[in-house]
Amino acid sequence: GIQVEQSPPDLILQEGANSTLRCNFSDSVNNLQWFHQNPWGQLINLFYIPSGTKQNGRLSATTVATERYSLLYISSSQTTDSGVYFCAVDETSGSRLTFGEGTQLTVNP
Amino acid sequence: DGGITQSPKYLFRKEGQNVTLSCEQNLNHDAMYWYRQDPGQGLRLIYYSQIVNDFQKGDIAEGYSVSREKKESFPLTVTSAQKNPTAFYLCASSTRRQGLNQPQHFGDGTRLSIL
Repeated sequence: GIQVEQSPPDLILQEGANSTLRCNFSDSVNNLQWFHQNPWGQLINLFYIPSGTKQNGRLSATTVATERYSLLYISSSQTTDSGVYFCAVDETSGSRLTFGEGTQLTVNP
Repeated sequence: DGGITQSPKYLFRKEGQNVTLSCEQNLNHDAMYWYRQDPGQGLRLIYYSQIVNDFQKGDIAEGYSVSREKKESFPLTVTSAQKNPTAFYLCASSTRRQGLNQPQHFGDGTRLSIL
């Protein structure tokens, strides 16, 4: 099956800093989603981005499908951005998501 | 409000006991999914269903069972055959629009623990 690798595994920032999270995948994908899991376990959709670039406030994402990677940018980080960020991909038309291991982000005040 | 409701939020199981986790959605989505998450790890697919009365095994289906009798509901039973059931269970749903898969949306999860 498809492999999904996220980096870095852990990231500690000061409030106001910018960061880039990376997701590499081993095969062509039909679907790629970025999620934020908060400390209560809720999984929040950030982006649905099988290709191209999208922006939503301080967050933006870019997927280069031909090179099999996606990047999540967080600008002017806030303490509420803390949590785990997951990348998930679907290599088939059946919407079976395969998740990476996540990036644990801690934003200190 | 439209969304996915999982219940209960916390569940305790005795050894040898089957338990059923509930997942209901009012988004009119065709497809529903069950994932398991262990501490410090990503989610792994247990079962999924793309249409009523049909479902497929995911990557870790052993020790679990599901049914899909209604579009809105996709309950997951954790059987006594599941040797390590303590985990966080998440349900999701999605639809297709103009032939394209749409993003999956998740419920708030159920935490299952063994007594």
